[in-house]
Amino acid sequence: TQLLEQSPQFLSIQEGENLTVYCNSSSVFSSLQWYRQEPGEGPVLLVTVVTGGEVKKLKRLTFQFGDARKDSSLHITAAQPGDTGLYLCAGAYDYKLSFGAGTTVTVRA
Amino acid sequence: GAVVSQHPSWVICKSGTSVKIECRSLDFQATTMFWYRQFPKQSLMLMATSNEGSKATYEQGVEKDKFLINHASLTLSTLTVTSAHPEDSSFYICSARITSTDTQYFGPGTRLTVL
Repeated sequence: TQLLEQSPQFLSIQEGENLTVYCNSSSVFSSLQWYRQEPGEGPVLLVTVVTGGEVKKLKRLTFQFGDARKDSSLHITAAQPGDTGLYLCAGAYDYKLSFGAGTTVTVRA
Repeated sequence: GAVVSQHPSWVICKSGTSVKIECRSLDFQATTMFWYRQFPKQSLMLMATSNEGSKATYEQGVEKDKFLINHASLTLSTLTVTSAHPEDSSFYICSARITSTDTQYFGPGTRLTVL
């Protein structure tokens, strides 16, 4: 099993503030995916990063994949209450996904 | 595109009975599907890899005789929880893999409650 450490576990911020979630591992992944999950629903794919050093932007969300393909970060600019949810990173290896523990983000209006 | 459905969305059963959960890829074919379980406030834990036309591969600690997986077509995988007990109560989520992008798309999950 390839372990992914995700931090922080919980994050509560005011609307308009920025936040960053980190995902770290000692293992190399062929790709890394970020998901967002609402209570009682399945995870929804936000982005897949494949190349070391890659940066992808999705509106106010910026995703980075480390040069060595072992770590990644998710940065949200000017967070809104609609960004509230559980964010999960998952590293791909041998056709499987290894999930981080998740970060529960709460954005207060 | 890349929509995955699960049925049922929730099920309540008595201890000792069996429950079947279906996972379908609606707009793409998937030779590989995965089954996960998720406990409250926790992340997803991979249970098994479902391969179309062959036996499923189970993760360490997952009883293959208790969690029967069948992947009879390129769009359907089923998970049967046999002789269910209260400790099997959980949120079961499937995913289907698109080979070309090595990306998994997840179903909406099935909430199983065993009384």
